[in-house]
Amino acid sequence: SQTIHQWPATLVQPVGSPLSLECTVEGTSNPNLYWYRQAAGRGLQLLFYSVGIGQISSEVPQNLSASRPQDRQFILSSKKLLLSDSGFYLCAWSVMGLAYGYTFGSGTRLTVV
Amino acid sequence: GNSVTQMEGPVTLSEEAFLTINCTYTATGYPSLFWYVQYPGEGLQLLLKATKADDKGSNKGFEATYRKETTSFHLEKGSVQVSDSAVYFCALSVQTGANNLFFGTGTRLTVIP
Repeated sequence: SQTIHQWPATLVQPVGSPLSLECTVEGTSNPNLYWYRQAAGRGLQLLFYSVGIGQISSEVPQNLSASRPQDRQFILSSKKLLLSDSGFYLCAWSVMGLAYGYTFGSGTRLTVV
Repeated sequence: GNSVTQMEGPVTLSEEAFLTINCTYTATGYPSLFWYVQYPGEGLQLLLKATKADDKGSNKGFEATYRKETTSFHLEKGSVQVSDSAVYFCALSVQTGANNLFFGTGTRLTVIP
């Protein structure tokens, strides 16, 4: 069966520090991968998606970047965190062409202090 | 374009009350429709879905019917429980491209004993 792992679950980082959040998928090949952010009390904002290794599409200009070094690994990074980067980050995967929606990870709560 | 409009929250109900969360959509093509639920501190889980007109998705006592004539997919439950307290997201999927799932802004439901 397919599973998605996301870590860490919570993170507190000082302003100006780097960030690396990791997401891995098991049980499927060539998935589409997504990073979403959910600010406090807000809806979901799509940050990045990827259809294959090394292929990243950015939805909004920001202080973050994403990479996909392996087929089932998706990493969200920042060189220098801002206070406004605080939020709940969700990774998700889907398979192209099927109306099954997305499967989400359990999320990482990032607090920048 | 593709978009989802859902009922603004928050919604507060007493236990055993009837729940309706409205959701309407606009879509290019023939979408699939979804309701996701996010319990406190967790990622999103698929609650139910419908892939064609007049289909009824159901799960855990929740129901939603795909109404093409009114472009709606309202979520209903006859008798809510405290454990149903969560944020509910309506979404639509079009089977073109990788970025193909469009979310509403979410509706926070609180059920009080």
